[in-house]
Parts: sequence; C-alpha cells; structure tokens
Amino acid sequence: DAGVIQSPRHEVTEMGQEVTLRCKPISGHDYLFWYRQTMMRGLELLIYFNNNVPIDDSGMPEDRFSAKMPNASFSTLKIQPSEPRDSAVYFCASSLGVGELFFGEGSRLTVL
Amino acid sequence: GIQVEQSPPDLILQEGANSTLRCNFSDSVNNLQWFHQNPWGQLINLFYIPSGTKQNGRLSATTVATERYSLLYISSSQTTDSGVYFCAVVGAQLIFGTGTRLQVFP
Repeated sequence: DAGVIQSPRHEVTEMGQEVTLRCKPISGHDYLFWYRQTMMRGLELLIYFNNNVPIDDSGMPEDRFSAKMPNASFSTLKIQPSEPRDSAVYFCASSLGVGELFFGEGSRLTVL
Repeated sequence: GIQVEQSPPDLILQEGANSTLRCNFSDSVNNLQWFHQNPWGQLINLFYIPSGTKQNGRLSATTVATERYSLLYISSSQTTDSGVYFCAVVGAQLIFGTGTRLQVFP
C-alpha cells in the first residue's frame, strides 16, 4: 500500500495568497483527519471526515480555513487568504474505523 | 476532554542504554497508539495498543487501560531512535500527548 499521500511537501507563499493542500488517504479507509503542527501548539486536530462527510471542524482556526472531501480518495485543505501565523506543518491521516491511524509525510507551509 | 500527559518531557541517553517512556491519560479510551516523529518530521507508527503488551524488535509497549497508563520501552538505544515520541489516545477523538524528546548520543 502506498500509504497516505500529501502534496505539496513544501510550500512557500506570500501573505494573502491562497494555499491548497492535498491528501490521498489509504484505500479503503473511511476516516480522514487534518492536523496542524507548530512548535508552540504541538499537534492540533483541525477537522475530520467519516465517509467523506465532515464530522467535527471545531479545530479549524477561522473562516479562512476550509476543507473538502469530494470523494473517498481525495481531500483538500484550503487557506484563503494565508497569513504568516498559518506557517506550520500540515498532516493528513487516515484510519479504518476508530482503528490504527496512519499519517502522511506532511506539507510544510511557510507564509512570508 | 481527555488529558494525556507524557513523561519525561526530555531524555538524553548514550547509545546502548535502555529507557522507559510513560503516557498517562485521564479517562477511558478506545485505543492508544505510540508514534515516533523522526528528525525529518515523519510520524511513524510504533504500536497500536489499546491494552496488553506488544513487542517489535528493541521496542515494546504495555498499556494498562484500567489504570490509565501506557509504557514504551526502548532497549539498547541507537542514535536513530532520536526524535519525539508521542502517545495518542482515542476517546471521542484522537488526543495527542505533548511528547517525549529523546536524544541518543554515540
């Protein structure tokens, strides 16, 4: 299995620009999670989906953040407009039910 | 919500030493995982261990769900073991501890 695939691995952008992060979960997994990791706040859950439906988005910091899962094999996390404080590593993870969670390699975002 | 505490926060070892990392959690959980975040930032699954004991090479883990703790044992540590070790528990959602930062020197 290819594992959870994220793109891009690195993104450098200027404040105000739109950023789109992409994730392909492990085939057959029905849960998908987006996490953000910073030195100050550690790993934070932003949103998670079950069977492509958003279940809990209470971790999404503000309206500038949005996430979609149009089908079982693809999800996006969008930030518009981006700000320097959004700089972080964004991880996508998937699981089958409430079983073992598998992470992608992360997308490192730098907003200048 | 569930609180997850890990100890120690930092650990420095010489190659070959053994260590025990602890994860305490404040409520009943459905499962528990241990992860290793290596110096390149990758989160690597170590154990999926809601209860009992598992071993994988030099690493082993024990979870005592009734007493709300889990232990990760690293034996004969190597420099490649360096990084941050996280435990994560599932109650209503997956909650990560703050991690133990391990540095192994030759």
